[in-house]
Amino acid sequence: GAVVSQHPSWVICKSGTSVKIECRSLDFQATTMFWYRQFPKQSLMLMATSNEGSKATYEQGVEKDKFLINHASLTLSTLTVTSAHPEDSSFYICSARDPLPQETQYFGPGTRLLVL
Amino acid sequence: AQSVAQPEDQVNVAEGNPLTVKCTYSVSGNPYLFWYVQYPNRGLQFLLKYITGDNLVKGSYGFEAEFNKSQTSFHLKKPSALVSDSALYFCAVRSSNSGNTPLVFGKGTRLSVIA
Repeated sequence: GAVVSQHPSWVICKSGTSVKIECRSLDFQATTMFWYRQFPKQSLMLMATSNEGSKATYEQGVEKDKFLINHASLTLSTLTVTSAHPEDSSFYICSARDPLPQETQYFGPGTRLLVL
Repeated sequence: AQSVAQPEDQVNVAEGNPLTVKCTYSVSGNPYLFWYVQYPNRGLQFLLKYITGDNLVKGSYGFEAEFNKSQTSFHLKKPSALVSDSALYFCAVRSSNSGNTPLVFGKGTRLSVIA
């Protein structure tokens, strides 16, 4: 299947700092990417839908000023957690939709963020 | 509104026995249905999908799923379970006419295959 990479795979940072997570579709062009957050032993919670060249669409309850999303190219989307706090500690997973064939959504390996 | 139900939080099966992980869905229009598997501290891996055509879909690692429109179900099956199949399984759906909307996921079912 198609490959989606995510970097870094894990990060530890101090409270108040910003962290950027990159998501790349390696073998297809993704006009649409998605960012999810997953808490331990729970399902994925959609944070936002990222469309190349336009502003991201955030889900209700997700602070757009805290979770900045940039989809600058057809193969790259970034999520920046600004002024991170311990409650932002989580597993963040990106997903890219392959328009061919038939719009399968592929997922990155995830980024575990720990804010101290 | 779209929704997915995975009625079982946990499924236990002996190695070599057949396994079934249940999924039912609700969607307006025709459904696109997907199964993903997640191993610890990893992202989701695509297993199989139903878009159109044959109701029985075969996917990776010997898994298959059957689309049942009348029962709005898309249960995941495997004839003979392996210990390495132990993982968290997610069913997901979106409508064929929903444009760029993301997949809606079930809450996941943890499969434990016992040797």
